[in-house]
Amino acid sequence: GPKVLQIPSHQIIDMGQMVTLNCDPVSNHLYFYWYKQILGQQMEFLVNFYNGKVMEKSKLFKDQFSVERPDGSYFTLKIQPTALEDSAVYFCASSLAQGANSDYTFGSGTRLLVI
Amino acid sequence: GQQVQQSPTSLVLQEGENAELQCNFSTSLNSMQWFYQRPGGSLISVFYNPSGTKQSGRLTSTTVIKERRSSLHISSSQITDSGTYLCAIHYAQGLTFGLGTRVSVFP
Repeated sequence: GPKVLQIPSHQIIDMGQMVTLNCDPVSNHLYFYWYKQILGQQMEFLVNFYNGKVMEKSKLFKDQFSVERPDGSYFTLKIQPTALEDSAVYFCASSLAQGANSDYTFGSGTRLLVI
Repeated sequence: GQQVQQSPTSLVLQEGENAELQCNFSTSLNSMQWFYQRPGGSLISVFYNPSGTKQSGRLTSTTVIKERRSSLHISSSQITDSGTYLCAIHYAQGLTFGLGTRVSVFP
């Protein structure tokens, strides 16, 4: 079936540095999402993005976070500067429609370790 | 409190046994989705918006939206069924997940 590709699969970074997580959504999908999962904890919503704009973000989406999707390229999550508590698995997802009207497709996640 | 409650939190099965996983929602919802998360983390959609009963292979989902509950039945479990099963409710902006049921199947 259609897939969401996430690059890289793993990333280790020094605290304070910048990191960019990349996501290639399903080609005809219009809505894009980032979720965060700390080991052993619940998967939590960070942000959704549509038509070049952030539609909604949770309280986990700190000021140090930003998202964008320049035309024809990856949907990215940038963290600048990183903090130790940013260590987690970040999942990208996409959907054709919004909310209750659409099936979500998730990527395999990027495992981020901030040291 | 938790909007999505899953039970049990973990389950140990001998290969061939059946299992039933429960998901209850504390808020009204329009639709929900079951996911399977492999050891190592990738997330795979199992059932999307399964009102009533739906079957896919050895997996059967039974959802009663009005009663805010859904169950996932695994029949004749196999070692490859091991992993975490997550349910999530759809709301306007995204998904709210439960904590999952960790299933371990042994020979």
